[in-house]
This record gives sequence, C-alpha cells and structure tokens, in this order.
Amino acid sequence: DQQVKQNSPSLSVQEGRISILNCDYTNSMFDYFLWYKKYPAEGPTFLISISSIKDKNEDGRFTVFLNKSAKHLSLHIVPSQPGDSAVYFCAVKGAFYNNNDMRFGAGTRLTVKP
Amino acid sequence: GAGVSQSPRYKVAKRGQDVALRCDPISGHVSLFWYQQALGQGPEFLTYFQNEAQLDKSGLPSDRFFAERPEGSVSTLKIQRTQQEDSAVYLCASSLGADLQFFGPGTRLTVL
Repeated sequence: DQQVKQNSPSLSVQEGRISILNCDYTNSMFDYFLWYKKYPAEGPTFLISISSIKDKNEDGRFTVFLNKSAKHLSLHIVPSQPGDSAVYFCAVKGAFYNNNDMRFGAGTRLTVKP
Repeated sequence: GAGVSQSPRYKVAKRGQDVALRCDPISGHVSLFWYQQALGQGPEFLTYFQNEAQLDKSGLPSDRFFAERPEGSVSTLKIQRTQQEDSAVYLCASSLGADLQFFGPGTRLTVL
C-alpha cells in the first residue's frame, strides 16, 4: 500500500538549470508535506515543507508547490548546483498533532552536472 | 552532542543472532522515532516514543522487534533471531514534540 509515490527514481540536470522533483499521494487526509534531502551515509535532513492551506512555499532556491485536487506536490530547485546532488524524499503527515504518522516516498536521486 | 547519534554505524550479523541498535536523541527532545529503510526505498515507520512511553509500535514487522527508552532519552532497538529480510538501514529521529524530526545517520544492518 504505497500512499506516497515518487515515480522518478533518478533525475539528472545541468548546473544552473531547474530541477523539478515530483511526488503523488493517495490519501486526501494528509495535510502537511515535507521534503527531505539525504547524502550518502547520512540521515535525511529537512529541506522545506508546506501545509495544506497553502499552494506554494519558497525558501531561497527551493520552492514547493502543492496541488491538493491532484494530490500532487513538487519541489523546484533553481538554479541547481552540484552540491544539490543527493536523494530527495517526499514525506506526508496526517495531522499536525499526529507526529508519528509520517509516510515517505521511495526517493529521487538528483544528479547536478557541472 | 548537537545532533542525533546512532551506534554502531554498521553491523553484520549471522542469521539467527540477536542485535541491539542504539540511538542518542538530541538533548531535550521528547519524541523519538525508529524507521527502517530498505534498499531503494524510503524510510518506513517502526515505532514512536514520547519520553519513556512507547505510544505507537504499529510499524514493528514482527514480535522479533522490540524497542525501549527506559529513561526517556537513549533508545535501543533490539532484533531477535535476525533474518536476511531484516537487512536495512535503521534510522532514528527525534523531535521536541509535534514538530520537525531530526534524523541520525542510521545503522546499516546486514544479515548473512
């Protein structure tokens, strides 16, 4: 039962271009969405989040877009840098107080080429 | 320390052995989580503690898996009679409460 899907296992972009990572979820009860970034041999680190009352959240080069009707969110990185090369996980939560109910996608490996 | 630490970082066990994985959360963090990450997959929730109380263990795959946090800080995940399918990275995360989770580097368990 995959409630969170990241359909692209990998993505390669040129430095300076835009990276777009996608995530789909199945349960409309999820109302808080996060992106984590993971380097090899390290744990995931929080990158950016968005709640269901918004459709966009921006933090520097990173923007997350949420389309609730399509149950889809995306992460845009502009401009992409070689240091952004990592695995990106989408995560969703059921309700803010229900902190343990976080589900992850399988991840997308982003490679940014110099 | 400043972040979540886990030990050992790597563990190789023979099938049937018992293993114990340790997590030191960020000081003062009330909530502690264990996740299992199989190769090529995202982390999957195992169990959740609030202080010393284990409030949710619905993700533990079998009764061979046991977790404890007796004094509300350090936690241990124990796997008895390990099987090959237990091979994975085990991640620990902590948070202040209903808040952002901070992850440790994980323990990579390989069962031969």
